[in-house]
Amino acid sequence: DGGITQSPKYLFRKEGQNVTLSCEQNLNHDAMYWYRQDPGQGLRLIYYSQIVNDFQKGDIAEGYSVSREKKESFPLTVTSAQKNPTAFYLCASTPWVGVGGWGANVLTFGAGSRLTVL
Amino acid sequence: AQKITQTQPGMFVQEKEAVTLDCTYDTSDPSYGLFWYKQPSSGEMIFLIYQGSYDQQNATEGRYSLNFQKARKSANLVISASQLGDSAMYFCAMRDPNRLAFGKGNQVVVIP
Repeated sequence: DGGITQSPKYLFRKEGQNVTLSCEQNLNHDAMYWYRQDPGQGLRLIYYSQIVNDFQKGDIAEGYSVSREKKESFPLTVTSAQKNPTAFYLCASTPWVGVGGWGANVLTFGAGSRLTVL
Repeated sequence: AQKITQTQPGMFVQEKEAVTLDCTYDTSDPSYGLFWYKQPSSGEMIFLIYQGSYDQQNATEGRYSLNFQKARKSANLVISASQLGDSAMYFCAMRDPNRLAFGKGNQVVVIP
């Protein structure tokens, strides 16, 4: 079955360490997104990519980095510059459907990765 | 910038009753899309329903319907005949040209 795989599901990090969250999709979707969710809050956009080798900052990109070397992969690195990285991270994707645009933005989400800084 | 507002406190709903979740939005763009997602305690986000700004009729998907009042900038979700499995957080979202902006969510607990 097609879908989005995020790994690891749970991750613990010491302060000052970088950590990379994996996101892989086999849906042949063009656009991929990273969102951050804090308790009692909605989702905030970190980065998104509409095409291989290109990506744009979202609303809270500081302290994060991404790459899009392959269509199916969009890893997120949480760097030591991110002051409060403990959160739930969700990866999503959507297809480009031509005239209609980005699949009406109906995002397909992965199961999420929960990062805790010790 | 797009803005989505969900301000209801957590709700308890009796099984088999209907529940309405409020969502208001703010945009100056005449073309926009509104979405509702469900997030159970496991954390995954599940797409429920979509309403386009030019759609003449309110969207429906099974037990979910969207009460779209364009002049009031309101897009409330109605869940009919609540089930125990409907206990979750529910998020309203709006399409920015290339991404979705989410509200803070409504917590629903269905009680038997």
